[in-house]
Amino acid sequence: AAGVIQSPRHLIKEKRETATLKCYPIPRHDTVYWYQQGPGQDPQFLISFYEKMQSDKGSIPDRFSAQQFSDYHSELNMSSLELGDSALYFCASSHRDRDSSYEQYFGPGTRLTVT
Amino acid sequence: AQTVTQSQPEMSVQEAETVTLSCTYDTSESDYYLFWYKQPPSRQMILVIRQEAYKQQNATENRFSVNFQKAAKSFSLKISDSQLGDAAMYFCAYPQGGSEKLVFGKGTKLTVNP
Repeated sequence: AAGVIQSPRHLIKEKRETATLKCYPIPRHDTVYWYQQGPGQDPQFLISFYEKMQSDKGSIPDRFSAQQFSDYHSELNMSSLELGDSALYFCASSHRDRDSSYEQYFGPGTRLTVT
Repeated sequence: AQTVTQSQPEMSVQEAETVTLSCTYDTSESDYYLFWYKQPPSRQMILVIRQEAYKQQNATENRFSVNFQKAAKSFSLKISDSQLGDAAMYFCAYPQGGSEKLVFGKGTKLTVNP
C-alpha cells in the first residue's frame, strides 16, 4: 500500500538559511499534518490542512509557513533557521471525511540539521 | 489542559515474555480515540493499535492488546510473546479536544533482552 512520502529525507542548512520540506500524502487522503520531534522528545503538532485550507495550528514559529496544494501535497517553509530548529519533521495524513478517528499515517520524516 | 502521561521512561522484557506499558490521559470528552505508536531506531512512527472510547471491548492486534479503563482514564498496552523487533520507543497519543492534532506522551523506551 502507498505510504506518506517526504522529501528530502535529510537536510543540512546553516543558520539564517531557508528550508523547504515536502510531503505527499497517501492517495485520497484529504488531511495533512506536520509535527516536529526534537532529540529525545515526543512529536509536537505544528499545523494541519484539510482540503487545502489550514484547519488547525499548534506551536509553529512565525518563521515557518506551510500550505497544501491542489494535488494535496504540502510544503513546510522554514526561514531564518536557528540551531534549535534541528529536529525530525514528520508529515502525516488521514482521510477525515471517511474516518472520524483522525487515525494518522506518518511519513518517514525529514531530518533537518542546522549548523 | 489535556495531557497524556506515560510514567515509565524505560522498560525491559525478556524475549517471549509479556510486558505492559502504561498511559493515562486527561480529557473532558466522552467520545474519542486513543492510539499507541511505535518508533523503532529508524525513527519511523508506526501505528500499533487504536481504541475507540465508546467501545467496551479492548482492542487487539495480534500480540498487541490494550487494557482500556475509561473511568480511570487509563490506556495500557500489553505486548505478548515479546520479540527482538519490538524494541522501540512507544508513544501513547490522543487527538486533543476532538480536534485533529495528536498529543503524545513522553514515550516509553522498551528494550527486549534475548
